[in-house]
Amino acid sequence: GENVEQHPSTLSVQEGDSAVIKCTYSDSASNYFPWYKQELGKGPQLIIDIRSNVGEKKDQRIAVTLNKTAKHFSLHITETQPEDSAVYFCAASWGTLTFGKGTMLLVSP
Amino acid sequence: SAVISQKPSRDICQRGTSLTIQCQVDSQVTMMFWYRQQPGQSLTLIATANQGSEATYESGFVIDKFPISRPNLTFSTLTVSNMSPEDSSIYLCSVDGQGVNIQYFGAGTRLSVL
Repeated sequence: GENVEQHPSTLSVQEGDSAVIKCTYSDSASNYFPWYKQELGKGPQLIIDIRSNVGEKKDQRIAVTLNKTAKHFSLHITETQPEDSAVYFCAASWGTLTFGKGTMLLVSP
Repeated sequence: SAVISQKPSRDICQRGTSLTIQCQVDSQVTMMFWYRQQPGQSLTLIATANQGSEATYESGFVIDKFPISRPNLTFSTLTVSNMSPEDSSIYLCSVDGQGVNIQYFGAGTRLSVL
């Protein structure tokens, strides 16, 4: 089955800095790669996704890049704000979603 | 995206009892999913529930322990049976969105078993 590795497990940045979270997947058949943000006490919220026919996608301060050859994809957050502090999960899918272990992002004012 | 309501939001239960978690969505959806998220951990799929058919369970999860109902296109329940402290987790419901493989999640049910 699919296996998704996510790094780093924790990431601390200063407000205004950029943050990058990286994931690798094992199943070359995977063709959908979402990112979820989970705040304390809440369910995961879909923040951005990318499909295998696209190399990059942007939505305001967040972007995702995909390298199908290397089987890795990354989340980029620019101009981080304290409200970006949360746990971020990547996932890969060609049917059911397989999630990474999560990255706790802490943005300090 | 769909609005998903889960009840209860949290509960504390005694060992050996059962708890039924409800998931209600504001629009008709084909697939509903149930996940478990153990403390500080990632999400693990328990089963997929389609209306009118038996739920499909992932490896390591069985119907006797986690019976699921899906009576219509907007509602599903997950029962955690004969609970033990190891069942203490967040249980999350998700639904398929407008697009292949897209899923939206409810806020979850935080279960503690004493």
